[in-house]
Amino acid sequence: DSGVTQTPKHLITATGQRVTLRCSPRSGDLSVYWYQQSLDQGLQFLIQYYNGEERAKGNILERFSAQQFPDLHSELNLSSLELGDSALYFCASSVAYRGSPLHFGNGTRLTVT
Amino acid sequence: GENVEQHPSTLSVQEGDSAVIKCTYSDSASNYFPWYKQELGKGPQLIIDIRSNVGEKKDQRIAVTLNKTAKHFSLHITETQPEDSAVYFCAPSRGEGGGNKLTFGTGTQLKVEL
Repeated sequence: DSGVTQTPKHLITATGQRVTLRCSPRSGDLSVYWYQQSLDQGLQFLIQYYNGEERAKGNILERFSAQQFPDLHSELNLSSLELGDSALYFCASSVAYRGSPLHFGNGTRLTVT
Repeated sequence: GENVEQHPSTLSVQEGDSAVIKCTYSDSASNYFPWYKQELGKGPQLIIDIRSNVGEKKDQRIAVTLNKTAKHFSLHITETQPEDSAVYFCAPSRGEGGGNKLTFGTGTQLKVEL
């Protein structure tokens, strides 16, 4: 058990809808990362937060947004969903801003129909 | 940004054989070099890491070697077992300065056959 909790585990929704994915980092970790993993694809970096502030941004679509709250949990909001957004979304946390191990949750599987 | 490549993309070995996966990166400022293992239906899990002041690190059947001059590091698994079958990712990163997009390698599917 990595200590990182992601909810929900599975999400099925229709095109055009909006969903929110939630992540609780490991106790003591200040940094949260979001990754997207499509079928047979690698891990695509979306965004990183550290202690409530955005620190790095990957190829995150404008339809996607995220935030980290004072209690350090994070939410990833996906709107105007398209079929191509169907993927596994992983949250990871680490104790430092950079250069430290990442601890991954087991992901949220999003299916857009 | 950081370009990270892994080779091979798939690797099939017989149980008991050794497996080697290589990760090549472009950012010369990288100084933290981890390997992650992803089993089916789970998130990636750190299995071993190394920092740039060390050339090699070993933990039981797994080891990581670093060639900073050539900008690559490798994962070595000896005496492979069926439970080693998984996808392996590298994720080199900086400790200081610059962006921190934490790019993962393209992944290597390792299959250990009985």
